[in-house]
Amino acid sequence: QKEVEQDPGPLSVPEGAIVSLNCTYSNSAFQYFMWYRQYSRKGPELLMYTYSSGNKEDGRFTAQVDKSSKYISLFIRDSQPSDSATYLCAMSVVGSGTYKYIFGTGTRLKVLA
Amino acid sequence: EADIYQTPRYLVIGTGKKITLECSQTMGHDKMYWYQQDPGMELHLIHYSYGVNSTEKGDLSSESTVSRIRTEHFPLTLESARPSHTSQYLCASAMSNSYNSPLHFGNGTRLTVT
Repeated sequence: QKEVEQDPGPLSVPEGAIVSLNCTYSNSAFQYFMWYRQYSRKGPELLMYTYSSGNKEDGRFTAQVDKSSKYISLFIRDSQPSDSATYLCAMSVVGSGTYKYIFGTGTRLKVLA
Repeated sequence: EADIYQTPRYLVIGTGKKITLECSQTMGHDKMYWYQQDPGMELHLIHYSYGVNSTEKGDLSSESTVSRIRTEHFPLTLESARPSHTSQYLCASAMSNSYNSPLHFGNGTRLTVT
């Protein structure tokens, strides 16, 4: 079983829709949660990060963490065609001097004009 | 936008050649990482470093080596390229502190071995 599960999509939505992207994880030691956006032929771009349960908002983006359910979400409000990309969730854990980052496989999102 | 640079962006090379993928960052980050990314697959850790003269193998070191002589520079070398090395290679860095910090990525090197 993978430590992080993410639906690969593709997910197609009309412009203006609210998008919900999700990841589940199995390792309760994960402490830090990140979302990245990756356009074709580019590296992943950090969107949001948080280390606590609850919601964190930044403009049209909201990151939600539920540690009790081992579930994280990224919501995109008023989605735009420019949001079309692959979204990667990532998690990290610190222990014994190591810093380990684990990524989901990414969800491809297409926002239709 | 994070200041982490990878060169070349694209490389096509024949089997058996030795290649070095360059990665530099100007943020003073101690932690640096190399990942391999194939379409639809999660990122696989190849090598990482927590500082100068510190390097470790990841889950997928795949006949490659790294060096960390300077904080800002973390090159990846393939001694003998094979078609199975065809992939996208991503370099990343993060701050060292007592808490986790997010990774910042370069734009990658897309390698094709013929």
